[in-house]
Order: sequence, then C-alpha cells, then structure tokens
Amino acid sequence: GNSVTQMEGPVTLSEEAFLTINCTYTATGYPSLFWYVQYPGEGLQLLLKATKADDKGSNKGFEATYRKETTSFHLEKGSVQVSDSAVYFCAPRGGGSYIPTFGRGTSLIVHP
Amino acid sequence: NAGVTQTPKFRVLKTGQSMTLLCAQDMNHEYMYWYRQDPGMGLRLIHYSVGEGTTAKGEVPDGYNVSRLKKQNFLLGLESAAPSQTSVYFCASSRGSNQPQHFGDGTRLSIL
Repeated sequence: GNSVTQMEGPVTLSEEAFLTINCTYTATGYPSLFWYVQYPGEGLQLLLKATKADDKGSNKGFEATYRKETTSFHLEKGSVQVSDSAVYFCAPRGGGSYIPTFGRGTSLIVHP
Repeated sequence: NAGVTQTPKFRVLKTGQSMTLLCAQDMNHEYMYWYRQDPGMGLRLIHYSVGEGTTAKGEVPDGYNVSRLKKQNFLLGLESAAPSQTSVYFCASSRGSNQPQHFGDGTRLSIL
C-alpha cells in the first residue's frame, strides 16, 4: 500500500507570511495526490489535487506540484490569512492500492 | 446537494451498549469509508466498501461491524461499546479508488 510522511505541527505564522508544509509519499504505482483541509468541528474538505507527474494543483491561493522524482507534494501559499488556520492532510490515492492513506495532519495557526 | 450526511452528530453511550452510526451519500459513489479520528493519531480507517453488498477491513476494525445493503448507505455498528471507542467518527465516499473523498461532518461519540 501507500504511505505518507507529513511535517509535524503546529506551524505558527503571522498573517501574510509564506507557508510550506512538506509531504513525501511512497507508492507501488503512480498515485493521484491530494491535500485536504479540516476546519475546527468539521470534516475534511478537498483543497487541491494533482493526478500525474509535474501537475500543479491550486485552489484558494494554495499550490502543490506533483514531483515524481522526489515523491513529494509540498503545499505552499504565498501569503497566509487568519482564516487559513486549520489542519492540513496530505493524501496519496490509488497507484494500485484500494486503501486510502492520510498523513498525520499539520496544524496551521495564523496570528493577526 | 447534501453530499455525505452522518447521523447522529453527537451521542453518549454507557459501556456495553450498542449503537449504529448511519452514513448516507447522494452522489452515487461506489466507494464508502468509515474512519475514526483521535488526537495525535490522524485518521484511521475502520472499514470500507467498494460497492453495494461489499465490505472490507481497514486498519482498526476490531469492535466494529459494517453493512452496505444499499449503495447510498454505509452503517457502522458498535456491538458492545468500550471507552476506547470514544472518538470522532467520519464517513466518506468517493467515485473510485484514485478519486478524492467527500467527507461528512462527523459523529462525536463518548462512551462512559
């Protein structure tokens, strides 16, 4: 099956700072890659995705590029806002495995 | 468009009691999943289903049973609740094994 390593949090930033959350994965095939976000008291929501090498997923100012050579899918945002405070999960999917895999989640706290 | 709906949202049980958590999706998805989320443990897969009438064990299936009699519903049962099953339970669905998952808002279950 797939596995994923995600940087531990919490990540604490000031508003308008640059964000990077690292994610690396292992898979037997070529998975699709996802980032999910979980706001307090809610379920996970899809943030962005990439389905093949060198694809860049983007949404709400967040970006991540599917790097097959380094098996990575790092999440970035140029200028975070207080409203981005949440827990972020990296998730490879497919690539020959039915079992979904999630990282442990990285808590982001953005101060005004 | 309701998406994934979980019932109930909150429940308190006594040790040894039984209950069933209901998950319903209106997106005609083939795959459905039950997770539990505990502090510091991320999401752990309990059981999943790849289609109507099928179920399979996930990472932490002990103490739980599931049924998928109708495509749109996935039921999670606790036969004899234990305090270790105190958690937040999430249901999710997806179109396929490499597609993003859609999550419900969770059921917060406390077992005394």
